[in-house]
Amino acid sequence: IAGITQAPTSQILAAGRRMTLRCTQDMRHNAMYWYRQDLGLGLRLIHYSNTAGTTGKGEVPDGYSVSRANTDDFPLTLASAVPSQTSVYFCASSLDSNTEAFFGQGTRLTVV
Amino acid sequence: GDSVTQMEGPVTLSEEAFLTINCTYTATGYPSLFWYVQYPGEGLQLLLKATKADDKGSNKGFEATYRKETTSFHLEKGSVQVSDSAVYFCALSPLDTGRRALTFGSGTRLQVQP
Repeated sequence: IAGITQAPTSQILAAGRRMTLRCTQDMRHNAMYWYRQDLGLGLRLIHYSNTAGTTGKGEVPDGYSVSRANTDDFPLTLASAVPSQTSVYFCASSLDSNTEAFFGQGTRLTVV
Repeated sequence: GDSVTQMEGPVTLSEEAFLTINCTYTATGYPSLFWYVQYPGEGLQLLLKATKADDKGSNKGFEATYRKETTSFHLEKGSVQVSDSAVYFCALSPLDTGRRALTFGSGTRLQVQP
């Protein structure tokens, strides 16, 4: 069982380019999340989805969009990347929104 | 709103020393509480959890007790090892269906020296 798979592992992206970070889980979890982790700031929630077909904004949603067409996949899209979006991005899932979350290995994104 | 406060790091200890990492929370009601660990270059892993007051979560020699009177969930280990060097995050669950996700503290880096 893979759990949560994120792709790519790392990416260097030119500013202004569009980028989609992929996230897939095989645990049939209802809820999925995207966080960004920056040095000294811990984890900040970007977007979440409590069930397939629904999404919501977290603490820092600007510049990002998500979709949840099915239970397993929760891609995160940067429409036009900016250097301040340089970060490590973690996807996570949980059975529902108040149970423990399981995390992917992260995507290290550098916007230059 | 809900929040989690952790002691700032880094915490530097010698091998076999006693560890405490403080965590306090603010929430309306009684959330579930969690400790996560992040090893270098990896994602977060659940270390332990407690779902109600006075519960003690434990795993790999780590323990934390849910104290509602002090709204705390301090992480402890009797004898740390070099392999415990990591960043530790305290988190709480949302209490109603309108909430979005776990709320995390800012993390505490632990460095264990041989």
